Amino acid sequence: KQEVTQIPAALSVPEGENLVLNCSFTDSAIYNLQWFRQDPGKGLTSLLLIQSSQREQTSGRLNASLDKSSGRSTLYIAASQPGDSATYLCATGANSKLTFGKGITLSVRP
Amino acid sequence: GAGVSQSPSNKVTEKGKDVELRCDPISGHTALYWYRQSLGQGLEFLIYFQGNSAPDKSGLPSDRFSAERTGGSVSTLTIQRTQQEDSAVYLCASSLKRPTNTGELFFGEGSRLTVL
Repeated sequence: KQEVTQIPAALSVPEGENLVLNCSFTDSAIYNLQWFRQDPGKGLTSLLLIQSSQREQTSGRLNASLDKSSGRSTLYIAASQPGDSATYLCATGANSKLTFGKGITLSVRP
Repeated sequence: GAGVSQSPSNKVTEKGKDVELRCDPISGHTALYWYRQSLGQGLEFLIYFQGNSAPDKSGLPSDRFSAERTGGSVSTLTIQRTQQEDSAVYLCASSLKRPTNTGELFFGEGSRLTVL
């Protein structure tokens, strides 16, 4: 059974800092890994999707990497802004049932 | 539509009542998912529809839960005889292809269910 872990559960950083959010998974037989953002009371917004054959994906200030052999993915946020404050979730799997981590709640202080 | 639409956005009901939650996926998306998000918990998979194939119901927590997808588009999640532990946000997502095949998941805003 796939298990996805995101540690720490919460993170507070000053504006402008570069930061890394971690995601680990137990079963490396995955097809892809997806990072989402969730604002309070809202649904999930897809940020980046990394296929299992890829090592990383980039979108603007976001860069996600994938290391299947070690069961890890990281989401790098450059030059963080207060608007980046949200909960970030990763999800992965090899069938119809994606397994989600519980998310990391990020607070970027002005 | 432009995105996944869910209704109602909020539902308060009394224990024992039945509720129906609706999801209208992005036009053309063949895959549709229901997830449940409880306070402090991760997303819990409930059910998955792909085209005309039989749905994957393996995540439904009890026989009080059922879902259907009519015409390969709109889906309804029904909870019968609601219990307080059913209180959660029910999220619907759709994708153009299965996530295992490059498809990206797009979520609706969710339906928040409160059972008194």
